[in-house]
Amino acid sequence: AQTVTQSQPEMSVQEAETVTLSCTYDTSESDYYLFWYKQPPSRQMILVIRQEAYKQQNATENRFSVNFQKAAKSFSLKISDSQLGDAAMYFCAYRGWIQGAQKLVFGQGTRLTINP
Amino acid sequence: NAGVTQTPKFRVLKTGQSMTLLCAQDMNHEYMYWYRQDPGMGLRLIHYSVGEGTTAKGEVPDGYNVSRLKKQNFLLGLESAAPSQTSVYFCASSYPGTGEYYGYTFGSGTRLTVV
Repeated sequence: AQTVTQSQPEMSVQEAETVTLSCTYDTSESDYYLFWYKQPPSRQMILVIRQEAYKQQNATENRFSVNFQKAAKSFSLKISDSQLGDAAMYFCAYRGWIQGAQKLVFGQGTRLTINP
Repeated sequence: NAGVTQTPKFRVLKTGQSMTLLCAQDMNHEYMYWYRQDPGMGLRLIHYSVGEGTTAKGEVPDGYNVSRLKKQNFLLGLESAAPSQTSVYFCASSYPGTGEYYGYTFGSGTRLTVV
């Protein structure tokens, strides 16, 4: 079964510094998507960045970038120049065809704190 | 605004009571999902639907039932609420897609407390 693991329940970083959140996943499929979602205290699920498995180039969105290692099944999120507004819960997620239906599987989440 | 609407946003139930959570989407999405979010466990899939009139079990279906009589609505029912069902519930919708990206749209969540 496809699983997603985030081994860092909590992380903290000084404002303006860089932080990396880790994610590993398990799948036997070759065609899938990976995502990072941000959840602020408002509970809203906000898509931060996505990566198509067939693309070798790592996705980048402004200060957010990923390190996608397909063979190692690793998908880490790097946040550069951290800002106070980046403080939130971050979820790694895998989207693929599981048991005949398209599903989104989440990791346990990492709570990111930004220290001023 | 297009999106996914969940009602109610908050609810407190007594053990043994029943309730229904409503999810409505206006994007003509085929797929709809119900997740629950608990600390340290991320979002876990309860039930999902791949189209009007269809439903299927997810990872944690026990104690819940669902119905999708209309394409735009996906209802989650708790027949006899238990304290273990205290959680935040999210609805999401999407198109199915192979080889293309189709985004997921999430509702704002329902915080349910069972006392």
